[in-house]
Amino acid sequence: SQQGEEDPQALSIQEGENATMNCSYKTSINNLQWYRQNSGRGLVHLILIRSNEREKHSGRLRVTLDTSKKSSSLLITASRAADTASYFCATDMKGGSEKLVFGKGTKLTVNP
Amino acid sequence: DAGVIQSPRHEVTEMGQEVTLRCKPISGHNSLFWYRQTMMRGLELLIYFNNNVPIDDSGMPEDRFSAKMPNASFSTLKIQPSEPRDSAVYFCASSLYRVGSETQYFGPGTRLLVL
Repeated sequence: SQQGEEDPQALSIQEGENATMNCSYKTSINNLQWYRQNSGRGLVHLILIRSNEREKHSGRLRVTLDTSKKSSSLLITASRAADTASYFCATDMKGGSEKLVFGKGTKLTVNP
Repeated sequence: DAGVIQSPRHEVTEMGQEVTLRCKPISGHNSLFWYRQTMMRGLELLIYFNNNVPIDDSGMPEDRFSAKMPNASFSTLKIQPSEPRDSAVYFCASSLYRVGSETQYFGPGTRLLVL
């Protein structure tokens, strides 16, 4: 089944640095979403980008979508220790059953 | 709004016992989802409801799992009988939209351990 796959699996950076995570998927989509999960908590929606959009911003987050390469990236600028979490991309399938399929996530550690 | 509410937060049970997980979605939301998260398999959709009607239950592992949504403000996921391989974190999520591919709001999860 189609699934977003995040890269890298784990990322460790210093506070203040930028963090970039990537997501690749297999088939055409209607939209792609990014979620954050803090340890022991539920997922929190960050941003949704539709297939006809190329870039979207929300605060310190920037998401890009390249449908020709079937990939997306999530950039967190000026990272903080509080950004430490796992980040998941979720995709639907164009013409499919309109449900989200989540990747395995990127575990981000921001060191103070 | 209180967000999606799940109970219990933690459940420890013995193999063979019945387990019931409960979820209260955000008021006014039209879709409800049950997910299971494990290290090995990641986050898997088990079933989702639209206006209290099950739309897609293809992710339900086997007949031991069942889910109901008797009204717009309550859903249950039942495992009977439970097995050690059912140990996981179970999340409920809800969405304002009638399709399963839009923004979802997750509850805190129920951490289930079957001994």
